Amino acid sequence: DAKTTQPNSMESNEEEPVHLPCNHSTISGTDYIHWYRQLPSQGPEYVIHGLTSNVNNRMASLAIAEDRKSSTLILHRATLRDAAVYYCILRDSSNSGYALNFGKGTSLLVTP
Amino acid sequence: NAGVTQTPKFQVLKTGQSMTLQCAQDMNHNSMYWYRQDPGMGLRLIYYSASEGTTDKGEVPNGYNVSRLNKREFSLRLESAAPSQTSVYFCASSEGLSANYGYTFGSGTRLTVV
Repeated sequence: DAKTTQPNSMESNEEEPVHLPCNHSTISGTDYIHWYRQLPSQGPEYVIHGLTSNVNNRMASLAIAEDRKSSTLILHRATLRDAAVYYCILRDSSNSGYALNFGKGTSLLVTP
Repeated sequence: NAGVTQTPKFQVLKTGQSMTLQCAQDMNHNSMYWYRQDPGMGLRLIYYSASEGTTDKGEVPNGYNVSRLNKREFSLRLESAAPSQTSVYFCASSEGLSANYGYTFGSGTRLTVV
């Protein structure tokens, strides 16, 4: 599976937008880009996913670069509850890409 | 709307004891998974079930067995627990194996083997 690279940590102020970057320069044409987050002492939580086009849902937006070698998860207005580890994961649709490779993710700190 | 429910939430076992971790989902999902998460490491897939009646090994299946009891329930059994199996176990489900589906995770079972 292609790998992803994320910053170890980021910090944001409450009620401000947060842009979490992810590099995936070896992405293949059949890889979906998934984002999950894990709050302390909880199970991972699905956030959003996409293939080529930008995606929006109630939690966040996903901006995918035109060459697909990078993507950005956008939290429009950070709250204290958004403090978590965010994982950018590639899933290959050409085979059973069922094993999520979580990696180390980005630890997001939100300050009041 | 419970999503994925895991029981128990906490468990302490002695080396050599057996136990079964229970998982149930109420979203009519076809596929279910068991992962373990160790400190400082990502999640690792133990077993998965693509659909009712099928199970397959993941990355770290040794020391575990699974049963897909029906579409809703997927249990993980430790036949003879070892300290190396001390971990947090997460059950997850998805509509199918396709990469176009997201997973829903349970809140985890924290297992300590002494």
